[in-house]
Amino acid sequence: QSALTQPASVSGSPGQSITISCTGTSSDVGGYNYVSWYQQHPGKAPKLMIYEVSNRPSGVPDRFSGSKSGNTASLTISGLQAEDEADYYCSSYTSSSTSFGGGTKLTVL
Amino acid sequence: EVQLVESGGGLIQPGGSLRLSCAASGFTVSSNYMSWVRQAPGKGLEWVSVIYSGGSTYYADSVKGRFTISRDNSKNTLYLQMNSLRAEDTAVYYCARDRLQIGDYYYYGMDVWGQGTTVTVSS
Repeated sequence: QSALTQPASVSGSPGQSITISCTGTSSDVGGYNYVSWYQQHPGKAPKLMIYEVSNRPSGVPDRFSGSKSGNTASLTISGLQAEDEADYYCSSYTSSSTSFGGGTKLTVL
Repeated sequence: EVQLVESGGGLIQPGGSLRLSCAASGFTVSSNYMSWVRQAPGKGLEWVSVIYSGGSTYYADSVKGRFTISRDNSKNTLYLQMNSLRAEDTAVYYCARDRLQIGDYYYYGMDVWGQGTTVTVSS
């Protein structure tokens, strides 16, 4: 149940694109297509943004996209908007447990 | 409306016990995978425990042997019994529906979250 590795912070200007990486191992990220991404604003509960690597739940803008290569998953946000400023967490399911990344603070400049 | 509402948090001394509740509405707890996730002050998310629809339960190593996840089908409520509490258990505890259902299929992702309940372990 080791934590996945994310950059502590990323930033971008409105309209730009950013990518947040999430690195695990062949036992979690690399071994299953079960990576999820969550957005969390201060004082709020997390919100599911991407499930199973690249799928968006209903209501999530198509500016949010996910991908995976080997042991690293990525979340890309295009056309950055002020309301995208938040913490983002990746997670990966393994056999009978879930690992989260340490979180990435996105700042919209 | 699909909703989860946690309760039961509070201030507890080290070594004490606490039971958290998570009342669900708009869906059936027993038909879903349900998880507890916690977040220590200023820190990231940490998965705590899951109960499968079939009743199997699993725990993070950090709480194994001390915490017990359960559910009451008649009350459509999820629980987390926390014993032998330590200072490092201080966190906001969230319950979450741990699979996204689309039609007849379930997908990996926590799609419904409660607002969280705060547990503080301190003397």
